[in-house]
Amino acid sequence: DAGVIQSPRHEVTEMGQEVTLRCKPISGHNSLFWYRQTMMRGLELLIYFNNNVPIDDSGMPEDRFSAKMPNASFSTLKIQPSEPRDSAVYFCASSLGLSEYFGPGTRLLVL
Amino acid sequence: DAKTTQPPSMDCAEGRAANLPCNHSTISGNEYVYWYRQIHSQGPQYIIHGLKNNETNEMASLIITEDRKSSTLILPHATLRDTAVYYCIVRVAAGDDSWGKFQFGAGTQVVVTP
Repeated sequence: DAGVIQSPRHEVTEMGQEVTLRCKPISGHNSLFWYRQTMMRGLELLIYFNNNVPIDDSGMPEDRFSAKMPNASFSTLKIQPSEPRDSAVYFCASSLGLSEYFGPGTRLLVL
Repeated sequence: DAKTTQPPSMDCAEGRAANLPCNHSTISGNEYVYWYRQIHSQGPQYIIHGLKNNETNEMASLIITEDRKSSTLILPHATLRDTAVYYCIVRVAAGDDSWGKFQFGAGTQVVVTP
């Protein structure tokens, strides 16, 4: 199995631009999670889906952030408009219940 | 979910056992103990989890005290590649295949030295 796949691996953009992060979960997993990691705040859960349905988005920082899961094999996290404080590593993880398996992350830099 | 307390850092000599402690004194009966690690610039990696009994897999052993208020992750023969931040997390099993969220703390920075 290829594991959780995230793209792009690195993204540099300018303030105000739209950013879309993509995730392909492990085949057969029914839960998907988006996390953000910064030095100041550590690893934070933003949102998670179960069977493609958003269950808990209480960690989404503000309306500029949105996430979708149109099918079991794909999810996106969108930031519009992006701001410098959004610079972080964004991880996607998937699960079949007991444990979460993380992707390699997308390193985002907003200038 | 219950909170955990871990030392911020520890060193270990290569080839020796690394014993990582974790306190979770407010753990509830339906909360599992999980360990993850994060090697620099990579995503967190699952290591092991347990409820009451001690557990062992190819990566590590998990020793949970009888009162479940603390646990120890044991890396039996540490290698340089085990240098990472190790996270101890408690997570509730809500039933009907429903699980609580993982809440990652600061973890323990483990440095394995030659």
